[in-house]
Amino acid sequence: NAGVTQTPKFQVLKTGQSMTLQCAQDMNHNSMYWYRQDPGMGLRLIYYSASEGTTDKGEVPNGYNVSRLNKREFSLRLESAAPSQTSVYFCASREPTGPHNTIYFGEGSWLTVV
Amino acid sequence: AQSVTQLGSHVSVSEGALVLLRCNYSSSVPPYLFWYVQYPNQGLQLLLKYTSAATLVKGINGFEAEFKKSETSFHLTKPSAHMSDAAEYFCAVSGGNQGGKLIFGQGTELSVKP
Repeated sequence: NAGVTQTPKFQVLKTGQSMTLQCAQDMNHNSMYWYRQDPGMGLRLIYYSASEGTTDKGEVPNGYNVSRLNKREFSLRLESAAPSQTSVYFCASREPTGPHNTIYFGEGSWLTVV
Repeated sequence: AQSVTQLGSHVSVSEGALVLLRCNYSSSVPPYLFWYVQYPNQGLQLLLKYTSAATLVKGINGFEAEFKKSETSFHLTKPSAHMSDAAEYFCAVSGGNQGGKLIFGQGTELSVKP
């Protein structure tokens, strides 16, 4: 049981380049999330998907797009990377049936934009 | 909107001493509260959660937290620190008008001195 898997783990981009972070979960969860982590700011929600076919903005969605490809996969795309998007990105998924349930995180993707 | 505030971005204790990490929440409805731990270069792992079943919640690795509605607090404690407890700890809240979204505090880095 792999849980939440993210790829790539490390990536360096030049300003203006595009890339997609991939995420897949094998726990049959409906809800999936993308967070970014920056020093002193905790984790901030970029986008989330309550179920297959639906997505919604979080706290910091500007500069990102997402695709909920199917129940397992939720990708995050940077169309034109900026240095301000240098961060650690975490994908997560949640047990079904309510906000009291546990969210499970992937191992993180370290992105540097130069 | 719901929010959490973690008091102290860095806490240092001696091995064997009490660990106390503070978290205060803001919510207009009964919240669901979580503590997560992050070891260096890893994802987040659930330590414990409050879902209204009991105000004193026990988690993994000897940690516990008490929900105090009158103080809007959910502080994390451990009677005796171990070197392996050195990590970053995040308090988070969900529920109410946030739905399934998990909102994080800024994090507290715990150092344990020998």
